[in-house]
Amino acid sequence: ETGVTQTPRHLVMGMTNKKSLKCEQHLGHNAMYWYKQSAKKPLELMFVYSLEERVENNSVPSRFSPECPNSSHLFLHLHTLQPEDSALYLCASSQDWTSDGYTFGSGTRLTVV
Amino acid sequence: EDKVVQSPLSLVVHEGDTVTLNCSYEVTNFRSLLWYKQEKKAPTFLFMLTSSGIEKKSGRLSSILDKKELSSILNITATQTGDSAIYLCAVGAKGRDDKIIFGKGTRLHILP
Repeated sequence: ETGVTQTPRHLVMGMTNKKSLKCEQHLGHNAMYWYKQSAKKPLELMFVYSLEERVENNSVPSRFSPECPNSSHLFLHLHTLQPEDSALYLCASSQDWTSDGYTFGSGTRLTVV
Repeated sequence: EDKVVQSPLSLVVHEGDTVTLNCSYEVTNFRSLLWYKQEKKAPTFLFMLTSSGIEKKSGRLSSILDKKELSSILNITATQTGDSAIYLCAVGAKGRDDKIIFGKGTRLHILP
């Protein structure tokens, strides 16, 4: 394991479903991130949390709702998604949000049907 | 256990030098190898390699994959201070193991 664990690995959901993605790190990092990797598109930063506080939100639709209950856990709550939201969702962590040494999880492959 | 290992972890060179960054992997059901440049929070995509022995070039950057050796190199010629960044290597796995595994990155610093 890379130190950042994401579950589930795969998720198929309908457009009316509500589901959550989970990310966990025990590296002692203070910052955690959600990224979206769509086919043939650049990696997109979605949310940044530092010490459990959201510090960046890059114009992400409200159907994506992050939650950071503590510095080791990060969730992405999903509801009423669209098929174009199908992608690989990556979680990462770093020592703090101004540093650039990241550890990435392996991703959750999300398919919206 | 799937893993991606990059070397060196850190590299400091002078402007104009040529650098070679290495990435080796052990990944079940290999699909592709990707190189990213990270200067800010969102890594910038550089190359995706799927076929062994075919070099991909973009300006002063080039990369090639060796599936026999389970490795890839990223070359940067005539380096500039703007090349200073962390270079990330990632490997995508296909099928039931559909996932992407990132290396720790090589921190490159170009001295003027």
